[in-house]
Amino acid sequence: DAKTTQPTSMDCAEGRAANLPCNHSTISGNEYVYWYRQIHSQGPQYIIHGLKNNETNEMASLIITEDRKSSTLILPHATLRDTAVYYCIVRLSGGSYIPTFGRGTSLIVHP
Amino acid sequence: EPEVTQTPSHQVTQMGQEVILRCVPISNHLYFYWYRQILGQKVEFLVSFYNNEISEKSEIFDDQFSVERPDGSNFTLKIRSTKLEDSAMYFCASSVPRPSTDTQYFGPGTRLTVL
Repeated sequence: DAKTTQPTSMDCAEGRAANLPCNHSTISGNEYVYWYRQIHSQGPQYIIHGLKNNETNEMASLIITEDRKSSTLILPHATLRDTAVYYCIVRLSGGSYIPTFGRGTSLIVHP
Repeated sequence: EPEVTQTPSHQVTQMGQEVILRCVPISNHLYFYWYRQILGQKVEFLVSFYNNEISEKSEIFDDQFSVERPDGSNFTLKIRSTKLEDSAMYFCASSVPRPSTDTQYFGPGTRLTVL
Protein backbone atom coordinates (compact mmCIF):
# COMPACT_ATOMS: atom_id res chain seq x y z
CA ASP A 1 0.00 0.00 0.00
CA ALA A 2 1.11 3.53 -0.73
CA LYS A 3 2.33 5.57 2.24
CA THR A 4 0.28 8.51 3.45
CA THR A 5 1.25 11.67 5.29
CA GLN A 6 -1.16 13.53 7.52
CA PRO A 7 -0.74 16.40 9.97
CA THR A 8 -0.47 15.17 13.54
CA SER A 9 -3.22 17.41 14.85
CA MET A 10 -5.74 20.03 13.82
CA ASP A 11 -8.47 21.96 15.49
CA CYS A 12 -11.71 23.41 14.26
CA ALA A 13 -14.51 25.52 15.66
CA GLU A 14 -17.88 23.87 16.08
CA GLY A 15 -20.15 24.55 13.12
CA ARG A 16 -17.29 25.32 10.78
CA ALA A 17 -15.94 23.07 8.07
CA ALA A 18 -13.05 20.82 8.99
CA ASN A 19 -10.66 20.15 6.12
CA LEU A 20 -8.26 17.30 6.75
CA PRO A 21 -5.45 16.90 4.21
CA CYS A 22 -3.62 13.75 3.22
CA ASN A 23 -0.63 13.31 0.93
CA HIS A 24 -0.21 10.05 -0.96
CA SER A 25 2.26 10.89 -3.68
CA THR A 26 3.18 7.25 -4.41
CA ILE A 27 -0.39 6.09 -4.96
CA SER A 28 -0.83 3.68 -7.84
CA GLY A 29 -3.60 3.73 -10.41
CA ASN A 30 -5.73 1.03 -8.82
CA GLU A 31 -5.39 2.11 -5.20
CA TYR A 32 -8.32 3.67 -3.40
CA VAL A 33 -8.24 6.43 -0.79
CA TYR A 34 -10.14 5.44 2.34
CA TRP A 35 -10.89 7.53 5.39
CA TYR A 36 -11.68 6.14 8.80
CA ARG A 37 -11.96 7.81 12.16
CA GLN A 38 -11.56 6.58 15.69
CA ILE A 39 -13.35 8.26 18.53
CA HIS A 40 -11.54 7.70 21.80
CA SER A 41 -11.06 3.94 22.46
CA GLN A 42 -13.83 2.95 20.05
CA GLY A 43 -13.43 0.86 16.93
CA PRO A 44 -12.41 2.62 13.72
CA GLN A 45 -15.42 3.93 11.85
CA TYR A 46 -15.56 4.01 8.06
CA ILE A 47 -16.24 7.47 6.66
CA ILE A 48 -15.78 7.51 2.90
CA HIS A 49 -13.59 6.27 0.08
CA GLY A 50 -12.83 7.13 -3.53
CA LEU A 51 -10.67 6.27 -6.51
CA LYS A 52 -10.54 9.28 -8.81
CA ASN A 53 -13.71 11.27 -8.51
CA ASN A 54 -14.81 13.41 -5.61
CA GLU A 55 -17.24 11.64 -3.35
CA THR A 56 -19.88 12.80 -0.89
CA ASN A 57 -22.01 10.95 1.62
CA GLU A 58 -24.01 11.85 4.69
CA MET A 59 -20.88 12.13 6.80
CA ALA A 60 -18.32 13.90 4.66
CA SER A 61 -16.92 14.83 1.28
CA LEU A 62 -13.71 13.53 -0.23
CA ILE A 63 -11.81 15.70 -2.67
CA ILE A 64 -9.06 13.93 -4.63
CA THR A 65 -6.66 15.99 -6.72
CA GLU A 66 -6.48 15.31 -10.42
CA ASP A 67 -3.03 13.72 -10.12
CA ARG A 68 -4.33 11.69 -7.15
CA LYS A 69 -1.28 12.56 -5.08
CA SER A 70 -3.32 14.16 -2.33
CA SER A 71 -6.82 14.35 -0.98
CA THR A 72 -8.90 16.30 1.53
CA LEU A 73 -11.62 15.04 3.79
CA ILE A 74 -14.21 17.70 4.49
CA LEU A 75 -16.60 17.63 7.41
CA PRO A 76 -18.93 20.42 6.34
CA HIS A 77 -20.29 21.41 9.76
CA ALA A 78 -18.10 19.97 12.48
CA THR A 79 -19.65 19.12 15.83
CA LEU A 80 -18.05 18.27 19.16
CA ARG A 81 -18.79 14.61 18.42
CA ASP A 82 -16.48 14.79 15.41
CA THR A 83 -13.49 15.05 17.76
CA ALA A 84 -11.49 11.95 16.84
CA VAL A 85 -8.38 10.63 15.13
CA TYR A 86 -8.84 10.57 11.36
CA TYR A 87 -6.95 8.04 9.28
CA CYS A 88 -6.25 8.37 5.59
CA ILE A 89 -5.45 4.96 4.11
CA VAL A 90 -4.47 4.11 0.58
CA ARG A 91 -5.10 0.54 -0.38
CA LEU A 92 -6.11 -1.83 -3.10
CA SER A 93 -9.66 -3.11 -3.13
CA GLY A 94 -10.49 -6.72 -2.43
CA GLY A 95 -11.08 -8.52 0.82
CA SER A 96 -7.57 -9.88 1.02
CA TYR A 97 -5.99 -6.44 1.17
CA ILE A 98 -5.40 -5.22 4.66
CA PRO A 99 -5.48 -1.48 5.41
CA THR A 100 -2.51 -0.16 7.32
CA PHE A 101 -3.37 2.37 9.99
CA GLY A 102 -0.86 5.12 10.63
CA ARG A 103 -0.96 7.77 13.36
CA GLY A 104 -3.68 9.78 11.65
CA THR A 105 -4.73 13.33 12.41
CA SER A 106 -6.13 14.14 15.81
CA LEU A 107 -8.98 16.57 15.17
CA ILE A 108 -10.27 18.58 18.09
CA VAL A 109 -13.52 20.44 17.57
CA HIS A 110 -13.93 23.19 20.12
CA PRO A 111 -17.04 25.18 21.07
CA GLU B 1 -28.22 -0.52 10.51
CA PRO B 2 -26.37 -3.81 10.98
CA GLU B 3 -23.20 -3.64 13.03
CA VAL B 4 -20.37 -5.77 14.31
CA THR B 5 -20.74 -6.70 17.97
CA GLN B 6 -18.08 -7.89 20.40
CA THR B 7 -18.16 -9.50 23.82
CA PRO B 8 -17.07 -8.96 26.46
CA SER B 9 -16.43 -5.24 26.43
CA HIS B 10 -13.74 -5.67 29.07
CA GLN B 11 -11.84 -8.82 30.04
CA VAL B 12 -9.42 -9.04 32.92
CA THR B 13 -7.24 -12.12 33.18
CA GLN B 14 -4.15 -13.42 34.90
CA MET B 15 -0.94 -13.91 32.97
CA GLY B 16 -0.77 -17.40 31.53
CA GLN B 17 -4.52 -17.87 31.33
CA GLU B 18 -6.43 -18.53 28.13
CA VAL B 19 -8.93 -15.98 26.88
CA ILE B 20 -11.50 -16.11 24.12
CA LEU B 21 -12.75 -12.91 22.58
CA ARG B 22 -16.00 -13.12 20.70
CA CYS B 23 -17.33 -11.26 17.71
CA VAL B 24 -20.53 -11.40 15.72
CA PRO B 25 -19.79 -10.01 12.25
CA ILE B 26 -22.42 -8.44 10.03
CA SER B 27 -24.54 -11.30 8.76
CA ASN B 28 -23.91 -11.20 5.00
CA HIS B 29 -20.20 -10.44 5.28
CA LEU B 30 -17.63 -12.90 4.08
CA TYR B 31 -14.27 -11.62 5.35
CA PHE B 32 -13.49 -11.37 9.04
CA TYR B 33 -10.57 -9.68 10.77
CA TRP B 34 -8.97 -9.13 14.12
CA TYR B 35 -6.90 -6.06 14.95
CA ARG B 36 -5.40 -4.88 18.19
CA GLN B 37 -4.43 -1.50 19.56
CA ILE B 38 -2.09 -1.17 22.49
CA LEU B 39 -2.84 1.96 24.50
CA GLY B 40 -1.51 5.01 22.71
CA GLN B 41 -0.30 3.09 19.69
CA LYS B 42 -1.50 2.34 16.18
CA VAL B 43 -4.21 -0.07 15.18
CA GLU B 44 -2.38 -3.25 14.15
CA PHE B 45 -3.64 -6.04 11.91
CA LEU B 46 -3.59 -9.53 13.37
CA VAL B 47 -5.42 -11.88 11.04
CA SER B 48 -8.00 -12.16 8.30
CA PHE B 49 -10.32 -15.11 7.78
CA TYR B 50 -12.23 -16.17 4.69
CA ASN B 51 -13.99 -19.32 3.64
CA ASN B 52 -13.26 -20.97 6.98
CA GLU B 53 -9.54 -20.49 6.88
CA ILE B 54 -6.93 -17.90 7.63
CA SER B 55 -6.40 -15.69 4.62
CA GLU B 56 -3.55 -13.57 5.95
CA LYS B 57 -1.80 -13.02 9.25
CA SER B 58 0.75 -10.65 10.65
CA GLU B 59 3.93 -11.36 12.59
CA ILE B 60 2.04 -10.61 15.78
CA PHE B 61 -0.28 -13.54 15.18
CA ASP B 62 1.98 -16.30 16.50
CA ASP B 63 1.20 -19.77 17.83
CA GLN B 64 -0.40 -18.30 20.94
CA PHE B 65 -3.26 -16.97 18.83
CA SER B 66 -5.97 -18.84 17.00
CA VAL B 67 -9.22 -17.93 15.31
CA GLU B 68 -12.34 -19.90 14.73
CA ARG B 69 -15.79 -19.54 13.27
CA PRO B 70 -17.55 -22.15 15.41
CA ASP B 71 -20.99 -21.55 13.91
CA GLY B 72 -22.64 -19.39 11.29
CA SER B 73 -22.54 -16.23 13.32
CA ASN B 74 -19.62 -16.09 15.75
CA PHE B 75 -15.97 -15.38 15.07
CA THR B 76 -13.56 -15.88 17.94
CA LEU B 77 -9.98 -15.00 18.82
CA LYS B 78 -8.26 -17.23 21.35
CA ILE B 79 -5.06 -16.37 23.16
CA ARG B 80 -3.75 -19.56 24.73
CA SER B 81 -1.40 -18.25 27.38
CA THR B 82 -1.73 -14.54 27.88
CA LYS B 83 1.25 -12.28 28.48
CA LEU B 84 1.35 -8.82 30.00
CA GLU B 85 2.07 -7.37 26.56
CA ASP B 86 -1.20 -8.79 25.22
CA SER B 87 -3.04 -6.06 27.13
CA ALA B 88 -4.74 -4.02 24.44
CA MET B 89 -8.01 -3.23 22.73
CA TYR B 90 -8.97 -5.97 20.31
CA PHE B 91 -11.18 -5.04 17.39
CA CYS B 92 -13.09 -7.37 15.16
CA ALA B 93 -14.08 -6.27 11.66
CA SER B 94 -15.94 -7.74 8.72
CA SER B 95 -16.42 -6.91 5.07
CA VAL B 96 -18.15 -7.97 1.90
CA PRO B 97 -15.63 -8.00 -0.94
CA ARG B 98 -17.00 -6.20 -3.97
CA PRO B 99 -15.10 -4.97 -7.03
CA SER B 100 -15.07 -1.32 -6.03
CA THR B 101 -15.71 -1.44 -2.33
CA ASP B 102 -14.94 -3.85 0.42
CA THR B 103 -15.23 -1.56 3.35
CA GLN B 104 -14.30 -3.05 6.68
CA TYR B 105 -16.74 -2.38 9.47
CA PHE B 106 -15.34 -2.52 12.96
CA GLY B 107 -16.84 -3.57 16.24
CA PRO B 108 -16.60 -1.55 19.45
CA GLY B 109 -13.69 -3.60 20.75
CA THR B 110 -12.80 -5.70 23.78
CA ARG B 111 -10.39 -4.23 26.26
CA LEU B 112 -8.11 -7.02 27.45
CA THR B 113 -6.17 -6.43 30.65
CA VAL B 114 -3.57 -9.02 31.61
CA LEU B 115 -2.37 -8.86 35.22
